[in-house]
Amino acid sequence: DQQVKQNSPSLSVQEGRISILNCDYTNSMFDYFLWYKKYPAEGPTFLISISSIKDKNEDGRFTVFLNKSAKHLSLHIVPSQPGDSAVYFCAASYPNTGNQFYFGTGTSLTVIP
Amino acid sequence: DAGVIQSPRHEVTEMGQEVTLRCKPISGHNSLFWYRQTMMRGLELLIYFNNNVPIDDSGMPEDRFSAKMPNASFSTLKIQPSEPRDSAVYFCASALDRGPNGYTFGSGTRLTVV
Repeated sequence: DQQVKQNSPSLSVQEGRISILNCDYTNSMFDYFLWYKKYPAEGPTFLISISSIKDKNEDGRFTVFLNKSAKHLSLHIVPSQPGDSAVYFCAASYPNTGNQFYFGTGTSLTVIP
Repeated sequence: DAGVIQSPRHEVTEMGQEVTLRCKPISGHNSLFWYRQTMMRGLELLIYFNNNVPIDDSGMPEDRFSAKMPNASFSTLKIQPSEPRDSAVYFCASALDRGPNGYTFGSGTRLTVV
């Protein structure tokens, strides 16, 4: 059963506008969350993370928000740029599972120039 | 460090043939993961090694799939016999403990079984 879900397979946004990518999870024990970005023919690369002790983490144009009560996190990209066009995966882990992260199915973002 | 290195980048094989995918993790990382990317399930964990020992292989789809990690610098994922439904991109990733940046992924092997 998918413990991490990204219900939007794709998203299109105009350049300069905000992109919001959503992720829901079912396991309340998850305490650490990551977003990965993946370009075609490349492996996913780490983008930003957030711990469950925070509700927001910001890195330049990228901000991740965590709503623990709703078991929901989102990635905001402002302003969106054509180079942001990629597949974005969210991932979650919980304590005592070593390094294991559970991934969502991904959202393909297209930023239109 | 050259990152996680996977080979081959592309593999085309006929149904029934044996396929071996290879991975060299980042030096010093103690965990290694094999993932398969599909449209339906996204990144699907196949097997996870910690300190060269298989920890969780519940994602391995069938007995046709096997993985080994004979030492800290090398792992293989073998499919025997291969079937067309095995066609996918297979990623290897490595990590050190519960590092803040999660995994480092390789560039993947695109497998096509005809």
